[in-house]
Amino acid sequence: ETGVTQTPRHLVMGMTNKKSLKCEQHLGHNAMYWYKQSAKKPLELMFVYNFKEQTENNSVPSRFSPECPNSSHLFLHLHTLQPEDSALYLCASSQDSGGYGTDTQYFGPGTRLTVL
Amino acid sequence: GENVEQHPSTLSVQEGDSAVIKCTYSDSASNYFPWYKQELGKGPQLIIDIRSNVGEKKDQRIAVTLNKTAKHFSLHITETQPEDSAVYFCAASSGTASKLTFGTGTRLQVTL
Repeated sequence: ETGVTQTPRHLVMGMTNKKSLKCEQHLGHNAMYWYKQSAKKPLELMFVYNFKEQTENNSVPSRFSPECPNSSHLFLHLHTLQPEDSALYLCASSQDSGGYGTDTQYFGPGTRLTVL
Repeated sequence: GENVEQHPSTLSVQEGDSAVIKCTYSDSASNYFPWYKQELGKGPQLIIDIRSNVGEKKDQRIAVTLNKTAKHFSLHITETQPEDSAVYFCAASSGTASKLTFGTGTRLQVTL
């Protein structure tokens, strides 16, 4: 266990549904991330939050809406998704030390999303 | 932006042999290079990392080398075991590690 949990582990949704992915870290970190992992493609960074503030939005379509209510929880709200959005969505956390520390990113197990 | 290329995409070795995975990066400002191992049904887990002020780092059977001039770094696994079978990802980052750029992954298969 890495200290980062994600729910649900699997999700099937239609294109008109609204669903949310949840991530929780028990490591006391101050930075959290959402990544998309598609087959045969590199992990794609979607969003970064530092101290609950969004510091990175990697040109992600607005049908993905992140929310970070506190440093331990991160959500990804999904609505009107497309079949090409089917992928493994990974959450990660780190202790952002401004470049002076390890800044290791710890990943959760991911949510396998299928959009029909 | 940063671009990371990783080779090979698949690698099959016999148990006990060594495995080498290579990555190149494009941004000369990159200074942090982690390697992750991803097993089936799990998220990536850090196995070793190196910073640009070091040329080599070793942890038991795993080692990473960095050539800043050539902008490439490599993962070396010695005495491979079946449990080493997984997908391995390299990554690079400049400044803080908050913005990692990943390679496309190498599927390592260790056969008996």
